[in-house]
Formats: sequence, C-alpha cells, structure tokens
Amino acid sequence: EPEVTQTPSHQVTQMGQEVILRCVPISNHLYFYWYRQILGQKVEFLVSFYNNEISEKSEIFDDQFSVERPDGSNFTLKIRSTKLEDSAMYFCASSVVPDQPQHFGDGTRLSIL
Amino acid sequence: DQQVKQNSPSLSVQEGRISILNCDYTNSMFDYFLWYKKYPAEGPTFLISISSIKDKNEDGRFTVFLNKSAKHLSLHIVPSQPGDSAVYFCAAKLTGGGNKLTFGTGTQLKVEL
Repeated sequence: EPEVTQTPSHQVTQMGQEVILRCVPISNHLYFYWYRQILGQKVEFLVSFYNNEISEKSEIFDDQFSVERPDGSNFTLKIRSTKLEDSAMYFCASSVVPDQPQHFGDGTRLSIL
Repeated sequence: DQQVKQNSPSLSVQEGRISILNCDYTNSMFDYFLWYKKYPAEGPTFLISISSIKDKNEDGRFTVFLNKSAKHLSLHIVPSQPGDSAVYFCAAKLTGGGNKLTFGTGTQLKVEL
C-alpha cells in the first residue's frame, strides 16, 4: 500500500539553527499537510499546500516556517531559526482531494538543544 | 482549543469484547469526522470516517456512529483484538473550511487477553 515517507526520523539541532524536514507524499495525492505534536499534547495543524501554494495555515505557522515542493515528489518544511519550543513530532500528510482522508507519515522527531 | 474532546484518556477491554471510544465536539460546522489509530513511533493511521449527512458507517470490525444533535461520535470495535491496542484519535473537518483537521487528545486502548 502506498505510504507517506518522512526523513529523517530524528533530527537534533542547536537552537537558532535552520532545519529542513522532508516528506514524500503518496504519488497521486494533490494536497499536502504538516502537523506537529508536542509531547503530551494534541496533534496540531500547521499548514496545507495545494498547487504550489499554501491554502491554509495556523497561528503556529509564523514567519519562521516555510514549505516548499522543490520537485515532483518532495514536500519540505523549513524552520529558519529554531526555538526550544519547536521540539515536537512533525507529521506530514497527504490526500487525493480535501474530502478524502489524510494519510500520515511516521513523523520526524525534532529535538532542539 | 477544545473543539474536539476525548474525555477518556484510557480504556481497557478484554479480547473478544466490544471497545467503545467516544468523542465530543463543540463546533456545529464540522461536517466530516475521522478516526485514526496510532502506535508508538508511528504516524496516525486512518481507520474510518463519516460525513455529517450520515449517522453510521461500518467497515469490518469498525463502526462509527455520529449523533449530530448531541455533537458526539463513537467508534465501536467488535470483536476487540490485542493488535487493536493503540492510541485512537478522533478528528474533525469544517464545512468548506479548508482541509485542516482538528484532533482530539486521544484515548489509549488496551485490549487484554
């Protein structure tokens, strides 16, 4: 069964450094998402992306965050200057169309030191 | 953000019996609801969904019930199996409100032999 793949599985970064999290969505899916889950908290929506544009973003997704689809397969989340509070599991998801279920990758654990 | 609530953090059920997981929501504009299962170190896995125009959807051992007047949905698993032991999240999507999923806090289900 096709799946969303994310790399790396664990990223450790010094505070203030830039980090890029990578995702390969399911190949025929057109809508892409990033969510995060801080330890012990809910899964929270960050951003949705369609047709090379952000279609929706949350309050969390401030100027320090950006997303990009640099080629036909990858979808990336960049955090420009990481903060301690960015430590979380980051999940990428994709769907064929908005009214179909979103399928999630296994996440990247981001640890900011 | 308490729009989607799962009031039971944990549930323990014997193998072969029915597991009932509950979810309440406050926003009447939610029109699509999903249940995800999550194992440790993995991403959420889609289980079953229901549109607000229905009150029941069934897929094998999994049935989701939606009571719109009570703003309540439940997931029934019957018969429960040890492999069902996981965290279960309900999620909801707004009518015409983009593709953002709002998640509950999750219920840890343990199916005992």
